[in-house]
Amino acid sequence: EPEVTQTPSHQVTQMGQEVILRCVPISNHLYFYWYRQILGQKVEFLVSFYNNEISEKSEIFDDQFSVERPDGSNFTLKIRSTKLEDSAMYFCASSERGASYEQYFGPGTRLTVT
Amino acid sequence: DAKTTQPPSMDCAEGRAANLPCNHSTISGNEYVYWYRQIHSQGPQYIIHGLKNNETNEMASLIITEDRKSSTLILPHATLRDTAVYYCIATLSGSARQLTFGSGTQLTVLP
Repeated sequence: EPEVTQTPSHQVTQMGQEVILRCVPISNHLYFYWYRQILGQKVEFLVSFYNNEISEKSEIFDDQFSVERPDGSNFTLKIRSTKLEDSAMYFCASSERGASYEQYFGPGTRLTVT
Repeated sequence: DAKTTQPPSMDCAEGRAANLPCNHSTISGNEYVYWYRQIHSQGPQYIIHGLKNNETNEMASLIITEDRKSSTLILPHATLRDTAVYYCIATLSGSARQLTFGSGTQLTVLP
C-alpha cells in the first residue's frame, strides 16, 4: 500500500541553524500539507500546497518557514533560523483530489532544537 | 469549520464494540464529518468520513444523526491496537483544506 515517507525521523539542530525536512508524498497525490505537534499539544496545520503554490497557511507559518517541491517526488519544509519553540513533530500529508478528500500522513520528523 | 465536542477519554474491552461520540451541533449543510486517529506519536490516520448518510468501511462505521448535530464512530471489534486518540473534524470538502485537530478522545482498549 502506498504511503507517505519522511526523512529524517529525528533531527537535532542548534538554535539559529537552518533545517530542511523532507517528505515523499504518495505518487498520484496532488495536494501536500505540513502539520506540527509540539509535545503534549494538538496537531496544528502549517501550510498546504497545490500546483507549485501555497494554498493556505496558518499564522505559525511565518517568514522563517518555506516549502518547496524541488522535483516530481519530494516536498520539503525549510526553517531558516530555528528557535527553541520550533521543537516538535512535523508531519507531512498528501491527498489525491480536492472534493471529499482524505489526507494521508507520514510518520513524522521529530525536530529538537537545542 | 464547525466546532466539535468529544469526551476526553473512554475505555473499551477488547473484542467489544467501541462507540465514540462527537457533537457538532453547529455543522453547516455542506460540511463533512471526518474521523482520524493518532496512535501514540505516529502521524494521524484517516478512518472514515460522511456527509449525512451512514458510512462503513473496513475499519469502522460512521453513524450520523438525521439532524447532523452529532455522530458516532463505531469500531465493531476493538483490539489493543485500536488504542489511540480519535479526532472528529467537521469541515468543508475542497481543495487543499486544512484539518483542524481538537483534543480528541483517548480510547483505551483493555485486555
